[in-house]
Amino acid sequence: SQELEQSPQSLIVQEGKNLTINCTSSKTLYGLYWYKQKYGEGLIFLMMLQKGGEEKSHEKITAKLDEKKQQSSLHITASQPSHAGIYLCGAPQGGSEKLVFGKGTKLTVNP
Amino acid sequence: ETGVTQSPTHLIKTRGQQVTLRCSSQSGHNTVSWYQQALGQGPQFIFQYYREEENGRGNFPPRFSGLQFPNYSSELNVNALELDDSALYLCASSLRGGYGYTFGSGTRLTVV
Repeated sequence: SQELEQSPQSLIVQEGKNLTINCTSSKTLYGLYWYKQKYGEGLIFLMMLQKGGEEKSHEKITAKLDEKKQQSSLHITASQPSHAGIYLCGAPQGGSEKLVFGKGTKLTVNP
Repeated sequence: ETGVTQSPTHLIKTRGQQVTLRCSSQSGHNTVSWYQQALGQGPQFIFQYYREEENGRGNFPPRFSGLQFPNYSSELNVNALELDDSALYLCASSLRGGYGYTFGSGTRLTVV
């Protein structure tokens, strides 16, 4: 079965710093979702990438999908305390509508 | 456009009991999926419902069952609760064949 590995597991940065979170799949990616989760709460949709080489941006967050490397990255520019939370990547397994998730990356942004 | 609503938000049950969790899907969505998220882990797929029938199931025992109603809302039932069932249960709605999943805020289940 497909597995997603996220790195790093946790990240502490100073406000204003840039950061990158990676998500690597054990199998071919048929799209990739990024979600943000506050502790114990639901998932907030950030971005969806469908094609290799695709790059999307929303405010200060940019996500890229490298189909050949079976990898996606999430980059935050000039981080703010509001960016703190757990970032999860999810991918449709085998082209189905079942999502497989990574374990998440916990981001702390210190003022 | 209404989002996904889950109820209750929290509940505590005793081992061996049964529990029912509820989910109202987002307007325009016809598919509902349920996920279990243990502490410190990513969500794990339980099952999906489309047209009131189960459409895919993860590695969960039969004591996890569900329903989908004509209005696309859904229930997750868990029988014979075990301590390891303690988790955040997330419901996600989507439009079959489309892209994008909208998640609810989850139900925190504690089994004691």
